[in-house]
Amino acid sequence: QVQLQESGPGLVKPSGTLSLTCAVSGDSISSNYWWTWVRQSPGKGLEWIGEIYESGSTNYNPSLKSRVSISVDKSKNQFSLQLTSVTAADTAVYYCARGIVGATASSNWFDPWGQGTLVTVSS
Amino acid sequence: QSVLTQPPSVSGAPGQRVTISCTGSSSNIGAGYDVHWYQQLPGTVPKLLIYGKNNRPSGVPDRFSGFKSDTSASLAITGLQAEDEADYYCQSFDSLSGFYVFGPGTKVTV
Repeated sequence: QVQLQESGPGLVKPSGTLSLTCAVSGDSISSNYWWTWVRQSPGKGLEWIGEIYESGSTNYNPSLKSRVSISVDKSKNQFSLQLTSVTAADTAVYYCARGIVGATASSNWFDPWGQGTLVTVSS
Repeated sequence: QSVLTQPPSVSGAPGQRVTISCTGSSSNIGAGYDVHWYQQLPGTVPKLLIYGKNNRPSGVPDRFSGFKSDTSASLAITGLQAEDEADYYCQSFDSLSGFYVFGPGTKVTV
């Protein structure tokens, strides 16, 4: 059974960098999936942040593209998220998820999801 | 503001059938991209409910079904149960923005 687990600081100062890691167990990160980050602001809906393939190919949400970076570490079977110049608007629960390739291009869905980690941006 | 719209809330009595709409446009649902549905029970992680053309992951009861037509999709829950109280999100791809999008979510009250 595939499991994903996020880890990282729960508090980041404004203008700082948010760094999270997602450890994958029960599956190889080199499998045919897009490893994905999604966030959910308190009391709000879901926002797709970006994804990475095992080859290192990435796609990002244009609204975050200038600040976001996703990388993969095959030796540790994990992938990571970095978000720079954070503000209070970046306070959210951050989820990592496995993006499953659909029958047609850009029809991926996300399953399973990690437990999520709350990151608060505050001084 | 999401490119997919959902009603903020839907309610029904136990045993009833409710539907949740997910309205998009020609750059997402209308362009032929699949719509997927997630259930988020209070205080928990989003869980995949329906993927692709009305496929249910193992363990999801057949009371849940998905439909798609033109620029919109819908999730139907038949035989509504108290345990179905949750937020439901639709998800697709938008070619105009170039990334995956979620609807704002619909709260189902039983």
